[in-house]
Amino acid sequence: RKEVEQDPGPFNVPEGATVAFNCTYSNSASQSFFWYRQDCRKEPKLLMSVYSSGNEDGRFTAQLNRASQYISLLIRDSKLSDSATYLCVVSQGGGADGLTFGKGTHLIIQP
Amino acid sequence: SAVISQKPSRDICQRGTSLTIQCQVDSQVTMMFWYRQQPGQSLTLIATANQGSEATYESGFVIDKFPISRPNLTFSTLTVSNMSPEDSSIYLCSVTKETQYFGPGTRLLVL
Repeated sequence: RKEVEQDPGPFNVPEGATVAFNCTYSNSASQSFFWYRQDCRKEPKLLMSVYSSGNEDGRFTAQLNRASQYISLLIRDSKLSDSATYLCVVSQGGGADGLTFGKGTHLIIQP
Repeated sequence: SAVISQKPSRDICQRGTSLTIQCQVDSQVTMMFWYRQQPGQSLTLIATANQGSEATYESGFVIDKFPISRPNLTFSTLTVSNMSPEDSSIYLCSVTKETQYFGPGTRLLVL
């Protein structure tokens, strides 16, 4: 069983729409959760951390359900520039541990 | 934040040879990591580069194949030894400074 599972997509979404991604993780000892964004031929960059209480950053909202070991990302009013691969990432600890990545969900925003 | 550079940015190598990749950070960091991203796949942690001691390798990765050096808190090297076409991948250095930052990656093609 893969440690972090995501729907690879691609998700083809019209500009301005709302899109949601989900991910599940298998290691119940995971303590830290993130969404990273990776553009084509670029390194991953942190989009946002995910907290149990849920958190929002502009058009982006992330939720964590520890009981179900499930993480979500919601993008509202999607822009063409949101087209990228979104990586669900977990870690067992703080900064001392490496990250475990999902394979990513490909998002294509269409004009 | 942290600014990370890697050398070389890309290389094409013959099977059986070795390549050393350098990672330089613009400030001192405690935790440095090396990841691999194979074509169409997500990132996989190879090892944690420890300053002053041997690197800590993840399951499936060994020191003889991927020797790592960490002479100080701003620099690390990863060597890909006795390369085969299966080693063709992007190799990324990462550091933790409040969050994890990634270098631009080294694209390796082994013929």
